[in-house]
Amino acid sequence: KNQVEQSPQSLIILEGKNCTLQCNYTVSPFSNLRWYKQDTGRGPVSLTIMTFSENTKSNGRYTATLDADTKQSSLHITASQLSDSASYICVVSPNTGNQFYFGTGTSLTVIP
Amino acid sequence: DTAVSQTPKYLVTQMGNDKSIKCEQNLGHDTMYWYKQDSKKFLKIMFSYNNKELIINETVPNRFSPKSPDKAHLNLHINSLELGDSAVYFCASSHLDRDFSPLHFGNGTRLTVT
Repeated sequence: KNQVEQSPQSLIILEGKNCTLQCNYTVSPFSNLRWYKQDTGRGPVSLTIMTFSENTKSNGRYTATLDADTKQSSLHITASQLSDSASYICVVSPNTGNQFYFGTGTSLTVIP
Repeated sequence: DTAVSQTPKYLVTQMGNDKSIKCEQNLGHDTMYWYKQDSKKFLKIMFSYNNKELIINETVPNRFSPKSPDKAHLNLHINSLELGDSAVYFCASSHLDRDFSPLHFGNGTRLTVT
């Protein structure tokens, strides 16, 4: 069964600190994995995409990693800011058809 | 210059009523979707249309009926609303035939059924 699991479910960190969010998936065959950020009251917005051949990719203070062998991805946030408070959703796509498998998300709260 | 816009943002109604949510995208995408986000923030696909043709129709009560008058619009009509329909509904769009095309979401419609 194609599934995407994220951990932790929620996280509270101090402003300026780093954190890492995890995503494990069983989706097969694998095409790509995206991390989305969802601010309160808004729709999710794509942060970064990881394809099969990519191990790491950065987008500003966000760095995503992918281990296609163990089917794990992580999103590392450096020097967190209050505006990083949001839900982060991992979405995996197989290479067949028009499918997106959503994780349950990690709710991140950055406090001053 | 909003890419995916949906209206209304908030919808409060009583059980048994019929309501519609409208969605429009100006990105030139060929595929549009409706997602339901429950209280645990989990996004679940409801419907997907490609060039006005229904391509994904998950297990959703037939009280929910999507309508796509053209590629840029996908509306959701809900009949005989029930308490369990309360959720946030998101419209999204993408390019079906472009590799790695991301989903572009609207800002959601919060439906509250009382």
